This record gives sequence, C-alpha cells and structure tokens, in this order.
Amino acid sequence: QLHLQESGPGLVKPSETLSLTCTVPGGSITSRSYYWGWIRQPPGKGLEWIGSIYYSGTTYYNPSLKDRVTISVDTSKNQFSLKLSSVTAADTAVYYCARHGRIASGRLNWFDPWGQGTLVTVSS
Amino acid sequence: EIVLTQSPGTLSLSPGERATLSCRASQSISSSYLAWYQQKPGQAPRLLIYGASSRATGIPDRFSGSESGTDFTLTISRLEPEDFAVFYCQQYGSSPYTFGQGTKLEIK
Repeated sequence: QLHLQESGPGLVKPSETLSLTCTVPGGSITSRSYYWGWIRQPPGKGLEWIGSIYYSGTTYYNPSLKDRVTISVDTSKNQFSLKLSSVTAADTAVYYCARHGRIASGRLNWFDPWGQGTLVTVSS
Repeated sequence: EIVLTQSPGTLSLSPGERATLSCRASQSISSSYLAWYQQKPGQAPRLLIYGASSRATGIPDRFSGSESGTDFTLTISRLEPEDFAVFYCQQYGSSPYTFGQGTKLEIK
C-alpha cells in the first residue's frame, strides 16, 4: 500500500501563505496513471477538493480557490506541494494529499490512497 | 458545480442490522462516476466504492453500491462494530470534484 506523507507548518498567520508538501514513496509520482491531489477538511466539517497535478506539471484547481492556490511538483524529490495565499481563519483545516486516479481519456476519478492528513491552523 | 446531498445526516443502528445511506446529485453524473468513502475519527477517508457499484481492493462484500438516476445508495448488509464511521460520496463526472456533506453512522 502506498503511504503518502504530508509535511509543513501547523500554524500560519492570517494573510500569509500556507505551504505544504506531500512525499510520494518509490518514484510513483511519475506514473502516467495518476494525478496527485490536495483535499481539505475544516474541523468537524466535510471534504473539499483543492486541486490536482500531473507529473508533467498540468494542474486542475477548484474554481472556489483557484485565485489563491498553486500546486507544483518536483519529480526529483518525489514530492508535490501546495501553496495557499492570503489565508484566513476559514482556511483552518486538516489538509490531505491523495493519489487521484486518471483514466486513458484524461478524466480524473477517485482519490486513493490518502495521506494521514496534517492540521493547519490559521491564527495570529 | 454538482452538489451532492447525503441523507440521513445521522443513522443510528445496531451491529447486525442493515444500513442504507443515500447520496443525491443535483444533476446527472455521467457514466456512474461516483465514489464512496469511509472516515473514522482521526483517520483519513478510505475508498470503499467507485463507479457507483465497484468495491475497492480489500473492501468486504457486505458493502455495496447502487444507483438510480441521480440517486446513489451505499448499503452495508450486516453491520460490524468496525463499520461505524462517517461516510462521504464524491462525484467525478465533472470538475470541480465534489463531496457530499457526510452521513454519520453511529451505534444505537
């Protein structure tokens, strides 16, 4: 089973940029069958897809966050990263990275597996 | 954006009983592009079902999924103690990929 691992600061000040990294073991980040995604979950609430990236750098973002989100990939480190700018308390959440399936037509599908998640709190 | 509405919000049942969870889409989802996840407290979601009715690897056959138009159902035929959790549906028919708000399955 693939084990994804999120890392990054657990506390970010309002108006600053949240930065997280997900490490994908074994070089599988360059698989042509998958994208790599970020999903978040505010405490006690539901799940929200943030965006996903292919090893080539192609990205798809949720329009609700698109103006503040940048997802990048570093295949040499088997990592992909999330940056969310101008954060507010509403961005406090557990942030998950996950493998995002891709079928031959290019359509993306489900998320499996997920990392354990990391709580990011936005507070001064 | 496709909105997914799950019902009920909370379902209270006993081990051994049958659970039926619903997920209704605000518009048609092409080609049964719907998944179900289980999330236990303090854990990440786990994929249960994809393609509306296909079980993910390692998922017991007491879990099943079905669809009728824009209505999707997750059924757990006979509840085991480890099944109690929050369940989410997710559509991948169109971007943005959206989740339902969740159904909490609790022990009665």
